[in-house]
Amino acid sequence: GAVVSQHPSWVICKSGTSVKIECRSLDFQATTMFWYRQFPKQSLMLMATSNEGSKATYEQGVEKDKFLINHASLTLSTLTVTSAHPEDSSFYICSASLRERYEQYFGPGTRLTVT
Amino acid sequence: GQQLNQSPQSMFIQEGEDVSMNCTSSSIFNTWLWYKQDPGEGPVLLIALYKAGELTSNGRLTAQFGITRKDSFLNISASIPSDVGIYFCAGENSGGGADGLTFGKGTHLIIQP
Repeated sequence: GAVVSQHPSWVICKSGTSVKIECRSLDFQATTMFWYRQFPKQSLMLMATSNEGSKATYEQGVEKDKFLINHASLTLSTLTVTSAHPEDSSFYICSASLRERYEQYFGPGTRLTVT
Repeated sequence: GQQLNQSPQSMFIQEGEDVSMNCTSSSIFNTWLWYKQDPGEGPVLLIALYKAGELTSNGRLTAQFGITRKDSFLNISASIPSDVGIYFCAGENSGGGADGLTFGKGTHLIIQP
């Protein structure tokens, strides 16, 4: 149980284009989903918290107009990187938490490379 | 913001040895979590701790939630090759709803044959 999937697993895009990443909880309904970013050899940094049906809460320093988050259902959240630039190249990982529990289950991550 | 200090940064051990790593924080957490991450993959939850003083085991892994709520340790007994990877501690401070996690910088475990 508690399986989270992400799609795509990797993507290469040109500078200036937009990329959408999907995060799905496969066998449970997630009260909340989270988006993290991880640069090489570094730890995970929280970008935003996403609750179904409401606006995402962004961490300080994360541009909400650049990283658009939509949480349309209890099993799906999407992150759209708009007007991507090479410095946005990173490993993006989502997580989801079960109702009544605070532990988070992570997806396999999406490797974004902007050329 | 909150910061977690995780140590050691890396460990080089022989197969069969026991491993110990820890995290400390300048502030209190209500939940401590330990994850393992393999290259190119998402973190996998190993152990979740919810109460100060709690000691929890998962197979060869044992973790404890410090009494002060500001620290936690993870022990791995009798290490095997598949234990290789990066281990992260993470703290959560939910006040009733789930909050994002604050991660330590990770401990890179390397097992020498």
